[in-house]
Amino acid sequence: EDQVTQSPEALRLQEGESSSLNCSYTVSGLRGLFWYRQDPGKGPEFLFTLYSAGEEKEKERLKATLTKKESFLHITAPKPEDSATYLCAVQARAYGQNFVFGPGTRLSVLP
Amino acid sequence: DGGITQSPKYLFRKEGQNVTLSCEQNLNHDAMYWYRQDPGQGLRLIYYSQIVNDFQKGDIAEGYSVSREKKESFPLTVTSAQKNPTAFYLCASSGTGGVPRHFGDGTRLSIL
Repeated sequence: EDQVTQSPEALRLQEGESSSLNCSYTVSGLRGLFWYRQDPGKGPEFLFTLYSAGEEKEKERLKATLTKKESFLHITAPKPEDSATYLCAVQARAYGQNFVFGPGTRLSVLP
Repeated sequence: DGGITQSPKYLFRKEGQNVTLSCEQNLNHDAMYWYRQDPGQGLRLIYYSQIVNDFQKGDIAEGYSVSREKKESFPLTVTSAQKNPTAFYLCASSGTGGVPRHFGDGTRLSIL
């Protein structure tokens, strides 16, 4: 069964303390892996798309990387405004327009 | 600015009642989606539509219905057949490529 897991479930960091979030997936024929940020009571905000192993994307303090079985979202010197839930999703060839979402990692950055 | 508008933000359903959640987009996107979000779970696809007057069931379509009469609008009806409707409902849209890049700010549905 195709699935996406994310770890840790929750992460608390001090401002400036770099860390990584993990997204592991088991799908047949990956078409793309996507990262989103979601603030409480809001819809997800699209961050990155990764298509092939070895690919990296960066945006401000965030960098997403992809291997054949997992993706990492690296957060460098985070600020309190980076606090949010980070979701990853995968699109498998078999699914067409469907996407499998992970449950998310809830990040808190303390000042 | 273009975007997706969902309404209402909060909705309460009585036993045996059907309720309709509104989703409107001004992004000129062809594809629209409805997702359900429950605590500790990933978003699950309810229905999606790639073109006006056409839509397909997602993983959890039972107890829900949709229509797509206009490109801008994709309302979701939660019927009385949906026995566990309490959740956060999200509408999304995408242009070419089919990645749901734009989401509304959701409707939180609760049972009275």
